[in-house]
Amino acid sequence: NAGVTQTPKFQVLKTGQSMTLQCAQDMNHNSMYWYRQDPGMGLRLIYYSASEGTTDKGEVPNGYNVSRLNKREFSLRLESAAPSQTSVYFCASSEWGGDTEAFFGQGTRLTVV
Amino acid sequence: GENVEQHPSTLSVQEGDSAVIKCTYSDSASNYFPWYKQELGKRPQLIIDIRSNVGEKKDQRIAVTLNKTAKHFSLHITETQPEDSAVYFCAASMPNSGYALNFGKGTSLLVTP
Repeated sequence: NAGVTQTPKFQVLKTGQSMTLQCAQDMNHNSMYWYRQDPGMGLRLIYYSASEGTTDKGEVPNGYNVSRLNKREFSLRLESAAPSQTSVYFCASSEWGGDTEAFFGQGTRLTVV
Repeated sequence: GENVEQHPSTLSVQEGDSAVIKCTYSDSASNYFPWYKQELGKRPQLIIDIRSNVGEKKDQRIAVTLNKTAKHFSLHITETQPEDSAVYFCAASMPNSGYALNFGKGTSLLVTP
C-alpha cells in the first residue's frame, strides 16, 4: 500500500497563477483533510471532507477550493496564487475521523513569487 | 476558534535524560489526542495517542497522560536518544469539524550526546 500520495512534491508559481494539488489514498478511508504548515505555526486546517460527497471549510480556507472527486481522491485548488500561500501543504486521511489515526502524505512545498 | 497550546516551543536535553511536552486544549468535546513526530523535511508520523476514556498510556520509552477535567495532556519521553531529535506536535480532535485534528505549534526537541 502506498498510503497517502500527493503530487507534486515541489512547485513554484507566479502571483496570480492557478494550480491544483492532488491527493489520493489507498486505505479506503472515509475522511480526508488538507493542512498547511508554516514555520512556527504548526499545521492549520484548510478544508476537510468527512465523507465522500461532503466538503467543509477549516480554519484558513480563504483563497482555496477543494473537490472530493471520489472516496480515494481529494484535491486542493489555488485559483489565483498569492505570496501568502507560500507554504508546505499536507494532505491527510483517516478511517472516519473520531479517534482514528490520521495518515499524512509526503507534502507539497509551494513557493509563490 | 478552538485552541491547542503547546509548551515549550524548544527543548534541549542531554542523552539519557527525560523530556516532557505539555499541551492544553479548549474544546471540551475533543475526545482524541494524538502526538506526532516530524523530522526535517518529512511528513508528521503518529508516535502515540490517547482517547478520552483513558488517563495514561505507555509505549516503551514514550508515555502520554490526559487530564480531561483540566483539559491538558502531556508527552513524556524517557531515556532520550539523539534520534529522538525532531519536532513534536500535539493535537486534539475537533468533533464539529469532521473530527479533523487541531494542532499545537510544535516543540523542537534536541537531544545532545
